[in-house]
Amino acid sequence: DVLMTQTPVSLPVSLGGQVSISCRSSQSLVHSDGNTYLHWYLQKPGQSPQLLIYRVSNRFSGVPDRFSGSGSGTDFTLKISRVEPEDLGVYYCLQSTHFPWTFGGGTKLELK
Amino acid sequence: EVQLQESGPGLVKPSQSLSLTCSVTGYSITSNYWGWIRKFPGNKMEWMGYISYSGSTSYNPSLKSRISITRDTSKNQFFLQLNSVTTEDTATYYCARRVYYYRLFDYWGQGVMVTVSS
Repeated sequence: DVLMTQTPVSLPVSLGGQVSISCRSSQSLVHSDGNTYLHWYLQKPGQSPQLLIYRVSNRFSGVPDRFSGSGSGTDFTLKISRVEPEDLGVYYCLQSTHFPWTFGGGTKLELK
Repeated sequence: EVQLQESGPGLVKPSQSLSLTCSVTGYSITSNYWGWIRKFPGNKMEWMGYISYSGSTSYNPSLKSRISITRDTSKNQFFLQLNSVTTEDTATYYCARRVYYYRLFDYWGQGVMVTVSS
């Protein structure tokens, strides 16, 4: 299985600040069709995961432009600027290039 | 709007079977793909498997001998059965819609917590 390593595990932030979360895969996530299937989710306390970014850098419907994704191959980053209270929770990366699909271990964004 | 809702027992004894239902509204399960994902205590997430619009299935090899996903199209529901459970199967179980083209889950249920304990 493809191992997805997320860092950091915990990320203290001040409201209005900017943070980055890293997600690294044990093998390239470039699919034979040329696409890279790396997605980002946020799970807020008491809620189910919600899709933020799909295929590395595309914001899902309704996601504010404070969220941006980048990366290629095995190294990916989620950036959150001007952090707001509703951004707090656990962030996950998911790769769906290789079978079985695998998730990163999660990064908890919390207030300093 | 697509909505999914999991239901089932919150407590299962070791060696027994875990059975959950996902009820879908706002979208037909005869379109797209429908999956199960679980989140263990401590945040680890695991993709378990899915059933397609045609009824074909795919399972995580780590579970292949114990898992079964079926459906009832007349009720617009799909089901998870996990056999021979142990305490390591204690988790929150989510059903979700898998979007074929983008290879992702877009709509999720709220999740149901299942504890395996005698």
